[in-house]
Amino acid sequence: DTGVSQDPRHKITKRGQNVTFRCDPISEHNRLYWYRQTLGQGPEFLTYFQNEAQLEKSRLLSDRFSAERPKGSFSTLEIQRTEQGDSAMYLCASSLSPGSHEQYFGPGTRLTVT
Amino acid sequence: GENVEQHPSTLSVQEGDSAVIKCTYSDSASNYFPWYKQELGKRPQLIIDIRSNVGEKKDQRIAVTLNKTAKHFSLHITETQPEDSAVYFCAASEWNFNKFYFGSGTKLNVKP
Repeated sequence: DTGVSQDPRHKITKRGQNVTFRCDPISEHNRLYWYRQTLGQGPEFLTYFQNEAQLEKSRLLSDRFSAERPKGSFSTLEIQRTEQGDSAMYLCASSLSPGSHEQYFGPGTRLTVT
Repeated sequence: GENVEQHPSTLSVQEGDSAVIKCTYSDSASNYFPWYKQELGKRPQLIIDIRSNVGEKKDQRIAVTLNKTAKHFSLHITETQPEDSAVYFCAASEWNFNKFYFGSGTKLNVKP
């Protein structure tokens, strides 16, 4: 296990299309987070899973965004009817609880909406 | 919700000098404060963290201080080296670690 992986690394889509991203956390990690990062800004929290349960969701998150973690392992983030403002880097992170709670980030998926 | 502010946004120091980055937070329920380093084109990586029951923590050239009363915490890097050049983010989380709020980042440039 070499760390958190994300797929795809880059995605270009046209406005109005749906996109889905995948995150594979470190295998024993029970906590999984999704963030969005735009240029020059820090990661912005989107949602959090503990095992398969989605326990937190940002109030700023549009209902066009949905995330799942069906078996408590990998997770998917779907954006429906994409808008140009959705263009960003989407980061996934995982951690182990109980434990150090250190978040290990994936390489991110860069989304460009044209 | 929590609001984390970070400054300065950019910091340029000479190699060997010290660098200090400061963050403030608004939610008194926050009690875990990690710092991340993000090199260009790479993922954020944890460099040090502190919990609210501790006022200071050191790890070699890096230290973090926390003032819960004033709701601010700082990252101190001593004897800076060119490889310290990166963007540094502070963050805050409540006891359950269910949400993390990040600052906007500080771009540190260490000049050789």
